[in-house]
Amino acid sequence: GIQVEQSPPDLILQEGANSTLRCNFSDSVNNLQWFHQNPWGQLINLFYIPSGTKQNGRLSATTVATERYSLLYISSSQTTDSGVYFCAVTQAGTALIFGKGTTLSVSS
Amino acid sequence: DTEVTQTPKHLVMGMTNKKSLKCEQHMGHRAMYWYKQKAKKPPELMFVYSYEKLSINESVPSRFSPECPNSSLLNLHLHALQPEDSALYLCASSQEGTPQHFGDGTRLSIL
Repeated sequence: GIQVEQSPPDLILQEGANSTLRCNFSDSVNNLQWFHQNPWGQLINLFYIPSGTKQNGRLSATTVATERYSLLYISSSQTTDSGVYFCAVTQAGTALIFGKGTTLSVSS
Repeated sequence: DTEVTQTPKHLVMGMTNKKSLKCEQHMGHRAMYWYKQKAKKPPELMFVYSYEKLSINESVPSRFSPECPNSSLLNLHLHALQPEDSALYLCASSQEGTPQHFGDGTRLSIL
């Protein structure tokens, strides 16, 4: 089956710093989503981005489907950005397959 | 995501109890999912319902029994669970070509 790898596994930042999270996948996909899971366990949709670039406030994402990777950019990080960031993909007719996540800790 | 509603938020049960988890969505999505998430791990797929029919069962033990009474509701019936079944149970829904939306989950503890 398709493999989804995220890097780095852990990231520690000072408030105000910028960061880039990476997601590599081993086969073509028809859906890619980025999620933020907060400390209470809520899984929040950040982006639905099978290809191209999207921006939402301080967050942006780029997926290069032909090269099988996606990047999530967080600018001017805040303590509320802490949590686990998951990349997840689907192929036709399947459910989401998640990477292992990047755990982000932002300190003030 | 609050468009998918899960109840209860927390559940503590003994190994001999029978309980049910409920999930509801009103987005008109025709696919609904149950995932299980252990601490510090990603969500893992358990079941998929498509157009109210079970389409995927990821070799889940029979002590977990899913049910889809209609296109808006998804239940997960629990019976004779083991302590290792303690986890966060997440429900999600989607439509072809759209993102999956997740509920806030039910945190289950087995005594």
